[in-house]
Amino acid sequence: GENVEQHPSTLSVQEGDSAVIKCTYSDSASNYFPWYKQELGKRPQLIIDIRSNVGEKKDQRIAVTLNKTAKHFSLHITETQPEDSAVYFCGDTNAGKSTFGDGTTLTVKP
Amino acid sequence: DAGVIQSPRHEVTEMGQEVTLRCKPISGHNSLFWYRQTMMRGLELLIYFNNNVPIDDSGMPEDRFSAKMPNASFSTLKIQPSEPRDSAVYFCASSSGGGRNTGELFFGEGSRLTVL
Repeated sequence: GENVEQHPSTLSVQEGDSAVIKCTYSDSASNYFPWYKQELGKRPQLIIDIRSNVGEKKDQRIAVTLNKTAKHFSLHITETQPEDSAVYFCGDTNAGKSTFGDGTTLTVKP
Repeated sequence: DAGVIQSPRHEVTEMGQEVTLRCKPISGHNSLFWYRQTMMRGLELLIYFNNNVPIDDSGMPEDRFSAKMPNASFSTLKIQPSEPRDSAVYFCASSSGGGRNTGELFFGEGSRLTVL
């Protein structure tokens, strides 16, 4: 997306390892940062989100960190499993408008 | 709730034909979004509505694309005339809140359009 950059575009890890995906945004007014998981042929679904008044949020094996000063946020997946294999999109929301990064294809090898 | 409902799921048409994609958002959601997904351009926001009013259509590619939301439970995305480069998966999504209260987007299953 034009407002948010996402890296890497592809990521391959061994089962059990951690995976980290990073995004940067440009608009300081952005206030909501969701992460969506899209399995092959399926719709994107929210897995975790964070708002600009919070620095970190965790839900079991996934966590998101936000650095408002640097305008970047990251998704961390620990103890990866083959079912984590999918495309992950970070989102940037400002005044109701949600745009997405170009996506990261995560492959978890058993 | 049945979630966001899109139709058709698949459409194959010939260049120059009119295409109409339909979306029923989740009841009670007041924001509706149309996205286009391609390998080359990722997930692009085309237009979004808040309380049935178009708020931002800056992502609509050109005049061949138009979108309407006549009421809170229905929206259409129309392409006329269609071109092969319009081939993509078109997702509709809805959410509650809006503006600074925007939250989770609930996506439909998408409409896969192929223009020959």
